[in-house]
Amino acid sequence: SQQGEEDPQALSIQEGENATMNCSYKTSINNLQWYRQNSGRGLVHLILIRSNEREKHSGRLRVTLDTSKKSSSLLITASRAADTASYFCATASSGNTPLVFGKGTRLSVIA
Amino acid sequence: DTEVTQTPKHLVMGMTNKKSLKCEQHMGHRAMYWYKQKAKKPPELMFVYSYEKLSINESVPSRFSPECPNSSLLNLHLHALQPEDSALYLCASSQDYAGRGKNQPQHFGDGTRLSIL
Repeated sequence: SQQGEEDPQALSIQEGENATMNCSYKTSINNLQWYRQNSGRGLVHLILIRSNEREKHSGRLRVTLDTSKKSSSLLITASRAADTASYFCATASSGNTPLVFGKGTRLSVIA
Repeated sequence: DTEVTQTPKHLVMGMTNKKSLKCEQHMGHRAMYWYKQKAKKPPELMFVYSYEKLSINESVPSRFSPECPNSSLLNLHLHALQPEDSALYLCASSQDYAGRGKNQPQHFGDGTRLSIL
């Protein structure tokens, strides 16, 4: 069953611009994770934010979590062509359920 | 380079063939996963192994048979597959699965692209 839903499904920006992706989910969570997948490759874990955290940074990445709205956002600042990839949010429920991935956002950064 | 190694990278097989996908990790992780991913879709969980025991089977057809020979290796045995089974098969590992560990980040291999003729 699917938990997270990313928005937008696809995003195209110029190099140097910021990219924002959103994720909404339905049930209570223990943590929310963001992953990147380059074409033809496996997923790479980017960042994990716990349910008691509101914001987290890692390099050019900034993740926010609003548990009252059941939503999260991933901001990539000063985007580069190498950021072109699909980005998935994944939720870890408080119950005994495995990690569930959202549908993903396909980001294209044009040089 | 990824820390989870999957072989082969590509596999083409007929519907009557028997083949196996292999996955290896040397990070000391005790949980390993198989996912199926169709084009432009998210990964779908198939199986979870925790401490070499099958912990979750997400109602996967019996033509897919997982095996965990030891804590570093995970196999997926394939037999009598259907054309709709063509997909990217991803292996992942995490430090643990049971209890608090189940929410830990997962490390993925680059997958095996499987085509069923």
